[in-house]
Amino acid sequence: NAGVTQTPKFQVLKTGQSMTLQCAQDMNHNSMYWYRQDPGMGLRLIYYSASEGTTDKGEVPNGYNVSRLNKREFSLRLESAAPSQTSVYFCASSATSGGTDTQYFGPGTRLTVL
Amino acid sequence: DAKTTQPPSMDCAEGRAANLPCNHSTISGNEYVYWYRQIHSQGPQYIIHGLKNNETNEMASLIITEDRKSSTLILPHATLRDTAVYYCIVRLPPNDYKLSFGAGTTVTVRA
Repeated sequence: NAGVTQTPKFQVLKTGQSMTLQCAQDMNHNSMYWYRQDPGMGLRLIYYSASEGTTDKGEVPNGYNVSRLNKREFSLRLESAAPSQTSVYFCASSATSGGTDTQYFGPGTRLTVL
Repeated sequence: DAKTTQPPSMDCAEGRAANLPCNHSTISGNEYVYWYRQIHSQGPQYIIHGLKNNETNEMASLIITEDRKSSTLILPHATLRDTAVYYCIVRLPPNDYKLSFGAGTTVTVRA
């Protein structure tokens, strides 16, 4: 089991460029999440997908779009990158069991927007 | 989510037990206590969670007081690789879909 994988690991963009961050999980989890973490800060939820075919906004969705391609994959797209989107992006997945759930995180994508 | 209060930092000697406290005095009856940690530059790692009873797994033990207003995470034999920021999170799954990471406790394990 690879768990949660993310690509790329590092990316540098110029302002206005677009890119898609990829995330995949092999744990057969229903729910998937995208968070961002700015230096010295906690994680903030961007979007989440409770199940295949559904997506919902989190705390900081502006400037991002997501696609739940299938049960395994959840991508995050920046249509027109801005320096304020320089951050580390973490994908997570979870499954509900016994009334609770546990989120498992990927290694992160470090994005710099110049 | 209920608020949690953790000490900002603590040191621990390698091989000794590390006891990390967390106060969550406003926790409601159905909310769980979760612990995560984040080793520098890595994704957060799940450690353990509990509702009322004490819990133990291969990584740690979680002791929750009877009134549920506080808890302690115990790393039984700390190693240098346990140096990380540890987060105590109170949430009501699956309604609370996001994890709210506060400042956490920076734990430094020293040789």
